[in-house]
Amino acid sequence: SQTIHQWPATLVQPVGSPLSLECTVEGTSNPNLYWYRQAAGRGLQLLFYSVGIGQISSEVPQNLSASRPQDRQFILSSKKLLLSDSGFYLCAWSNPHLGTDTQYFGPGTRLTVL
Amino acid sequence: GENVEQHPSTLSVQEGDSAVIKCTYSDSASNYFPWYKQELGKRPQLIIDIRSNVGEKKDQRIAVTLNKTAKHFSLHITETQPEDSAVYFCAASILTGGGNKLTFGTGTQLKVEL
Repeated sequence: SQTIHQWPATLVQPVGSPLSLECTVEGTSNPNLYWYRQAAGRGLQLLFYSVGIGQISSEVPQNLSASRPQDRQFILSSKKLLLSDSGFYLCAWSNPHLGTDTQYFGPGTRLTVL
Repeated sequence: GENVEQHPSTLSVQEGDSAVIKCTYSDSASNYFPWYKQELGKRPQLIIDIRSNVGEKKDQRIAVTLNKTAKHFSLHITETQPEDSAVYFCAASILTGGGNKLTFGTGTQLKVEL
């Protein structure tokens, strides 16, 4: 069966510090991968998605970036965090080869920028 | 791009009653409509989804209906139980075989009271 991991689970960072969040998927090959952000009490905003290694599409202009160095690894980064970057970051995967594009979410990383 | 509106933002029902959450979408090309349930501090979990070639789908106490002409879809929960209390998100996307981009509604906080 497929599983998705995210770490760290929680993170407290000062403004201006760098960020690296990691997401890995097990049990599937060539997944589509997604990064979402959820502000407190709000909906989910798609930040990036990837259909393959090195292929990243950005949905929202911001100081965040994403990379996919391996098939089942997706990384969200920032060089300098802003207060507004605080939120719940969720990674998701889907398997388009099954003829469906249902997305399944990881456990998330709760980021607080102080 | 796609815009999804969700109503109501909060919903309180008595245990055993039914709950209905409604969403409208703007892009007539959208053809995939999932519903997610998110408990406090947890990841969103897919509870049911529907594709545009189907008007209704049911899974035990949960059902979803789709009206393509009016571009709206609804989640119906019957015989509500306290464990149904959570935030529910609707979403819409276009299945392309590549990376589908889900556009989420703003969520409905459902509270089932004893």
